[in-house]
Amino acid sequence: EIVLTQSPDFQSVTPKEKVSITCRASQSIGSSLHWYQQKPDQSPKLLIKYASQSFSGVPSRFSGSGSGTDFTLTINSLEAEDAATYYCHQSSSLPFTFGPGTKVDIK
Amino acid sequence: QVQLQESGPGLVKPSQTLSLNCTVSGGSMNSDTYYWNWVRQPAGKGLEWIGRIYASGSTNYNPSLKSRVTISEDTSKNQFSLSLSSVTAADTAVYYCARTYCDDTTCYNMDVWGKGTAVIVSS
Repeated sequence: EIVLTQSPDFQSVTPKEKVSITCRASQSIGSSLHWYQQKPDQSPKLLIKYASQSFSGVPSRFSGSGSGTDFTLTINSLEAEDAATYYCHQSSSLPFTFGPGTKVDIK
Repeated sequence: QVQLQESGPGLVKPSQTLSLNCTVSGGSMNSDTYYWNWVRQPAGKGLEWIGRIYASGSTNYNPSLKSRVTISEDTSKNQFSLSLSSVTAADTAVYYCARTYCDDTTCYNMDVWGKGTAVIVSS
């Protein structure tokens, strides 16, 4: 099973600041890495697919990069509505797995 | 626009079987371009992929649950279902259904989710 680790676990950020969340896979997964945003009491929402492809309707301040084992989700100019937990997810091999999540809080 | 809705009992007794349905509306689930997933999330914790069904009944399961899980579909009702046997308190979670869609060039991995249904395992 591919294990995904995320850092940091928690980040408190002021609006308009830049946020970077990293996800590391226990083995190479190519670009089969996706990012989700989950707000309290809501279901997850797809932000980025295949490491760097923005999903339709997602604000342009969200971007992804990386390949192999190291990936990054970047939020440029954070807005208050971006307060959420962010999960990475790999679809390279079964069983599919998720990272433990990074909670982003607004100062 | 496709929507998913989970349904089923909110309370299940230990050792019994948890059964949930996911109803697909706004489109047909009967296509080889779709994969239908179940994901769960214990309160305050992360996401766990349970399994999926696709291509007229093919399935993949998480080995951590494989001996207890069955995912099935009823395309006439535009529904797919989750059955989890011999439940314990550790199976208490919010259960989500989610769709993955693949076209000729790419896949949209779990791009549509249901709102989730909370299941408590308790006597």
